[in-house]
Amino acid sequence: DIQMTQSPSTLSASVGDRVTITCRASQSVSTWLAWYQQKPGKAPKLLIYKASSLESGVPSRFSGSGSGTEFTLTISSLQPDDFATYYCQQYNSYLWTFGQGTKVEIK
Amino acid sequence: QVQLVQSGAEVKKPGASVRVSCKVSGSTLSDLSLHWVRQPPGKGLEWMGGLDLEDAETVYAQNFQGRVTMTEDTSTDTAYMELSSLRSEDTAVYYCVKSTYDKGHDYWGQGTLVTVSS
Repeated sequence: DIQMTQSPSTLSASVGDRVTITCRASQSVSTWLAWYQQKPGKAPKLLIYKASSLESGVPSRFSGSGSGTEFTLTISSLQPDDFATYYCQQYNSYLWTFGQGTKVEIK
Repeated sequence: QVQLVQSGAEVKKPGASVRVSCKVSGSTLSDLSLHWVRQPPGKGLEWMGGLDLEDAETVYAQNFQGRVTMTEDTSTDTAYMELSSLRSEDTAVYYCVKSTYDKGHDYWGQGTLVTVSS
């Protein structure tokens, strides 16, 4: 199975900050990489697919980049609604896997 | 707009089985690939398996091989996930998710809490 490792596990930031989360794959997943946002008690929400494509309705302050084994999710200017947990997921192989998550907290 | 509506919370004893349903509306089940994802309380997301559209076969994560069965009833547009030999570590919210090779998981059910307790 392809292992996905996110860093950091927790991130403390302030409103207006630029935030970057990294996701590394144990082998190449090309650009078959998605990012999800989850708030407490809610189902995850798709933000980015194919590494850098923004899902419809998602604010443009979210962006994704990368290919192969290293990927980033960037929030250009953190808003109060963005404090949540973020997960990456590879869907390159027929066995899909998630990263362990990154919690973005208020500083 | 696809909607996925799951069955209600369940409480099961260790060793028992549980079946969670997922009703599709806004599309037909035969046009979709549904997967299942679970999340233990306070922990991360774990992909369990789902229909591989290319092969038209259901694929299961290694952690669940032999214990999970995912089925579909296209006459009622309802998918099912059955997990057997339950243990306390299976306590989690279980989600059905619409999946595509283009986007990953783009629609999620509301989740079903399964509690395993003696």
